Amino acid sequence: AQSVTQLDSQVPVFEEAPVELRCNYSSSVSVYLFWYVQYPNQGLQLLLKYLSGSTLVKGINGFEAEFNKSQTSFHLRKPSVHISDTAEYFCAVRVRNSGGSNYKLTFGKGTLLTVNP
Amino acid sequence: DAGVIQSPRHEVTEMGQEVTLRCKPISGHDYLFWYRQTMMRGLELLIYFNNNVPIDDSGMPEDRFSAKMPNASFSTLKIQPSEPRDSAVYFCASSGRDRSQETQYFGPGTRLLVL
Repeated sequence: AQSVTQLDSQVPVFEEAPVELRCNYSSSVSVYLFWYVQYPNQGLQLLLKYLSGSTLVKGINGFEAEFNKSQTSFHLRKPSVHISDTAEYFCAVRVRNSGGSNYKLTFGKGTLLTVNP
Repeated sequence: DAGVIQSPRHEVTEMGQEVTLRCKPISGHDYLFWYRQTMMRGLELLIYFNNNVPIDDSGMPEDRFSAKMPNASFSTLKIQPSEPRDSAVYFCASSGRDRSQETQYFGPGTRLLVL
């Protein structure tokens, strides 16, 4: 079974500062990795995903993440945050599908990013 | 595209009552997922369907919960009887057949409060 650990439940930062949200996963098989963002009282929206290829993945709103297989990590970064980035961020993992039917996403507990002026 | 549509957005009910949550997936998507979000347990997958057939319902908490997908454009999640511990936000998500199948698109959620 897969599991996802988001090491920080809350990350407060000042506007225009860089931020890194940490995510580690455990799995005995190859996986796909995702970051989702949830704004207050809304559903989850995909930020970016790693399926294959380059380990550095760029997403929407200036976010990027790097897949590190040896460290089983998929940390999310942004060089300069805005007030509007205040939201909860979820890391998720799914078993790499080679023609099977396992589409279950396993989510971390989330990291609340608060950007202060 | 209207995205995933869920109704109602908010539901307040009393313990013991039946609750029905509804979901309309994105047109053309053949996977549909039901999730529950609580502070204590985070986001949990309850059940998912492929081509209207339930594939994995191992996350359904107990027999009080049931889900159906009578056609490609509609699914329901029913709780009968409801209990206060069922209070949560319930999300529906869908994904498609092509490369977009790796992306799940979430609805706005139904916030359920059982008194």
